[in-house]
Amino acid sequence: GAGVSQSPSNKVTEKGKDVELRCDPISGHTALYWYRQRLGQGLEFLIYFQGNSAPDKSGLPSDRFSAERTGESVSTLTIQRTQQEDSAVYLCASSLDRGGYGYTFGSGTRLTVV
Amino acid sequence: AQSVTQLGSHVSVSEGALVLLRCNYSSSVPPYLFWYVQYPNQGLQLLLKYTSAATLVKGINGFEAEFKKSETSFHLTKPSAHMSDAAEYFCAVSAYSGNTPLVFGKGTRLSVIA
Repeated sequence: GAGVSQSPSNKVTEKGKDVELRCDPISGHTALYWYRQRLGQGLEFLIYFQGNSAPDKSGLPSDRFSAERTGESVSTLTIQRTQQEDSAVYLCASSLDRGGYGYTFGSGTRLTVV
Repeated sequence: AQSVTQLGSHVSVSEGALVLLRCNYSSSVPPYLFWYVQYPNQGLQLLLKYTSAATLVKGINGFEAEFKKSETSFHLTKPSAHMSDAAEYFCAVSAYSGNTPLVFGKGTRLSVIA
């Protein structure tokens, strides 16, 4: 597609429920990144995909968080047993490579856990 | 490892005044450096990037940044602020080579006063 598409744009869920966030990168972009942005904070790195492998999962906050990617296409970020501290905007970005091209970001999914 | 420090979480300028947003980085290897802008309820948009070519980098919307290795800085400037420049600005760094995602600063919110 023309840009990075994320869905849903907004998600309200009850504490303890599981949620799935979706990211559709720009066609041909081999690298895909997930970041979390808490209110008034910077971007916190979660996980990075090169193709469908994840060389760097170091940012996933706990084992409740997981992500997968199908080929060089869609990625899903799953949060199990959501907690209130998971409330944030989850941003996805893609790039041609991991180097100096810079990222194209989606508009994010705003997750609210009540 | 890389890190970024943005001095000042909030900067306020008058319309028509100089904009200066400060960014200092730490990197054990030659860096790539980026500035992104985030408008309310949107994802991040790339303003400009330094990838080891010219040290003075020009970006969109009249912004520019200068890479100063001796000062480990990459400050963002614009000669004359416009009301539409009001947004959150993020500085980011990644390794020139190697497999490292972008590391972002905490952001600086720019307000423009009429």
